[in-house]
Amino acid sequence: SQQGEEDPQALSIQEGENATMNCSYKTSINNLQWYRQNSGRGLVHLILIRSNEREKHSGRLRVTLDTSKKSSSLLITASRAADTASYFCATVARNDYKLSFGAGTTVTVRA
Amino acid sequence: NAGVMQNPRHLVRRRGQEARLRCSPMKGHSHVYWYRQLPEEGLKFMVYLQKENIIDESGMPKERFSAEFPKEGPSILRIQQVVRGDSAAYFCASSPRRDTSYEQYFGPGTRLTVT
Repeated sequence: SQQGEEDPQALSIQEGENATMNCSYKTSINNLQWYRQNSGRGLVHLILIRSNEREKHSGRLRVTLDTSKKSSSLLITASRAADTASYFCATVARNDYKLSFGAGTTVTVRA
Repeated sequence: NAGVMQNPRHLVRRRGQEARLRCSPMKGHSHVYWYRQLPEEGLKFMVYLQKENIIDESGMPKERFSAEFPKEGPSILRIQQVVRGDSAAYFCASSPRRDTSYEQYFGPGTRLTVT
């Protein structure tokens, strides 16, 4: 079964609003990564957060990690139409190397 | 420094034909991973290779699928006697080391359609 599960499955917001999506996982991890995928395109790496980190920022993105709850969140602030995409969390289990992806959250930003 | 290259970007095959997907990792990367994405789903790990070695093929279907990463040239994912269920996007990723803290860099993918 997939390691990461995103919630919600889909999200529709107005330009300028914030978008928050969550990811839950099952086993102990080395790190958790967030990716963006525009329709029909490849994956773009957004942020990697290690198991000993609690929060990371990159531009308008903020990622939190709560290893006690086995969950992570991705916040996109001041959303733009160009943020419309699917967002995936992927985990790397402890002592492993392969990424385990969730099914993703589809975000639509309305102009 | 060119990113991960995959070709072809789109591939159409009839049932029973063979599909060959190529992946050239980023310069300096000797670790390659293949993932498959079915429609409306996340990516699923298939196989992990280093030069001339298959390290982990636990995600590969037992039949018809094979992968290689020769000393020279790109990594190849081969699907023999394709069926409609093989229609998917196949992504290759590379990393410089096996270190789990390194991110994997993804190529643009090959979209396989089996008719």
